[in-house]
Amino acid sequence: RKEVEQDPGPFNVPEGATVAFNCTYSNSASQSFFWYRQDCRKEPKLLMSVYSSGNEDGRFTAQLNRASQYISLLIRDSKLSDSATYLCVVNPRYNFNKFYFGSGTKLNVKP
Amino acid sequence: EAQVTQNPRYLITVTGKKLTVTCSQNMNHEYMSWYRQDPGLGLRQIYYSMNVEVTDKGDVPEGYKVSRKEKRNFPLILESPSPNQTSLYFCASSIQTNTEAFFGQGTRLTVV
Repeated sequence: RKEVEQDPGPFNVPEGATVAFNCTYSNSASQSFFWYRQDCRKEPKLLMSVYSSGNEDGRFTAQLNRASQYISLLIRDSKLSDSATYLCVVNPRYNFNKFYFGSGTKLNVKP
Repeated sequence: EAQVTQNPRYLITVTGKKLTVTCSQNMNHEYMSWYRQDPGLGLRQIYYSMNVEVTDKGDVPEGYKVSRKEKRNFPLILESPSPNQTSLYFCASSIQTNTEAFFGQGTRLTVV
């Protein structure tokens, strides 16, 4: 079983829509969680960290559900520039030096 | 400008010909790592380093070597490349393991 699983999509949404992605992780002892954004053929860049209490940055909201072992990313008022692949990343407690990436969820925002 | 620099960006090579992909960061980060990205598999960690002269295997270390003689540099070495090492490679660095990782622009390697 993969450490981190994501729906690959693509999610095709119109501008202005609200869209949500989930990511499940297999190890209940996971420590840190992140969402990264990756544009086609480019390097991943941090979108936001995910805290136990959840966090919000403008149109983006991330939530952590430890009981069900998933994290979520909500994007409100989608822009064309939000089109990208969103990667879920988990850092396990048993080894702080390891990172597990999901294979990504592709988002296409259309005019 | 804070950055992670990888070279080369693109490389086509033949099976068995040793190659090195360089990675350098100018942020004085202690933690560096290498990943490969393949369709449907996401990024998988090859090796990581917590500081100078401290390296350890990630999840897919077979066929790769690394060294960390200086804090800023973390080269990836393929002693005898094979076609299954054709992939997109990323180097990353961060202050600590649970903080933001900064990635290089990637190296697209093709082994024929």
